[in-house]
Amino acid sequence: DAGVIQSPRHEVTEMGQEVTLRCKPISGHNSLFWYRQTMMRGLELLIYFNNNVPIDDSGMPEDRFSAKMPNASFSTLKIQPSEPRDSAVYFCASRPEGITEAFFGQGTRLTVV
Amino acid sequence: KQEVTQIPAALSVPEGENLVLNCSFTDSAIYNLQWFRQDPGKGLTSLLLIQSSQREQTSGRLNASLDKSSGRSTLYIAASQPGDSATYLCAAGPGAGSYQLTFGKGTKLSVIP
Repeated sequence: DAGVIQSPRHEVTEMGQEVTLRCKPISGHNSLFWYRQTMMRGLELLIYFNNNVPIDDSGMPEDRFSAKMPNASFSTLKIQPSEPRDSAVYFCASRPEGITEAFFGQGTRLTVV
Repeated sequence: KQEVTQIPAALSVPEGENLVLNCSFTDSAIYNLQWFRQDPGKGLTSLLLIQSSQREQTSGRLNASLDKSSGRSTLYIAASQPGDSATYLCAAGPGAGSYQLTFGKGTKLSVIP
């Protein structure tokens, strides 16, 4: 298995633009997480999906952030409009039913200028 | 709310030295404690996962221990090598009814040849 796949690996965008980050979880995993990592705050959970359904989005910082999981093999995290303070590394992670070990993708480094 | 602290934030040791990384957590009602390694510009790689019923786990030169009552975990690295240089993060795993991994901010380890 190729592991959790995220794209793009790097994204540079101008303030106000829409940004879409993509994630393909490991096949067979039914839980998916989006995390954000910054120097100041470390890794923070943004949203958690179980069986494609958003269970907890309390970590989504504001309405500019939205996430979808249309099927078991794909999820997106969208920021519209983007702001410089959104600059961070965004990680996607997945895990199978009944297993607590999480498997992380390599992350998307987002820079908003 | 669970809080995870890792001290020190950075550590530099000469090659060959044995070392201990520390992790403390405020809520002892955890299901597991997971240690990750993060290389610059890369994702997180799971190193060891200790279930709450266990005291320690070993993998090669790595040994992780867990003391729930004191809210502490340690990662012991034997005979350190330059290739061990990375940031090490610990994460408190889901407690009963929860699912969120709570991460520390990590310890950046440099092993000097």
